[in-house]
Amino acid sequence: AQSVTQLDSQVPVFEEAPVELRCNYSSSVSVYLFWYVQYPNQGLQLLLKYLSGSTLVKGINGFEAEFNKSQTSFHLRKPSVHISDTAEYFCAWGSGNTPLVFGKGTRLSVIA
Amino acid sequence: NAGVMQNPRHLVRRRGQEARLRCSPMKGHSHVYWYRQLPEEGLKFMVYLQKENIIDESGMPKERFSAEFPKEGPSILRIQQVVRGDSAAYFCASSPNGGDYGYTFGSGTRLTVV
Repeated sequence: AQSVTQLDSQVPVFEEAPVELRCNYSSSVSVYLFWYVQYPNQGLQLLLKYLSGSTLVKGINGFEAEFNKSQTSFHLRKPSVHISDTAEYFCAWGSGNTPLVFGKGTRLSVIA
Repeated sequence: NAGVMQNPRHLVRRRGQEARLRCSPMKGHSHVYWYRQLPEEGLKFMVYLQKENIIDESGMPKERFSAEFPKEGPSILRIQQVVRGDSAAYFCASSPNGGDYGYTFGSGTRLTVV
């Protein structure tokens, strides 16, 4: 079965420090990959997506992610985090019309 | 351009009652997806619908749960005879074309069964 693994359930980081949230997927077919952010008591907001082409994808709020086919990874990065980045982040996988498969989420806590 | 609208935002039901969750997709979106979110478990797919058709219901529990997306009106997720274990956040998402470009999510309905 296709799956998405987010390796860290919680990531604490100091304000203005860099952060990487890890995501690995298992699939033998062409995939689309997404990162979503969820703020408390809200729905999910799309941060960025990889469909094809350049493996480095830039999204909103200064986030970027790199698709690595050989390592089946799609890690999310930000060079300098803000308090407002505190939220839960979800990696998701899709292919064709298959409903998106989500990881369990990584809770990012930014410490002042 | 309103986003995906879900209502109610919060719903409290006693055990054995019925819960009806509504979702109006974004304008121009004909694909609707329902997901359930439990603490520490992420989002679990439940059902994928297009107008008047269920495309994939592989994530729906076999009993008590049903979904529809009629020609007119919102998509409805219906849970009959609710139990405590149904307490969760239920999210609806929509897309214009089956998801290649990602989904737009609603703010969710938080169901509490007492």
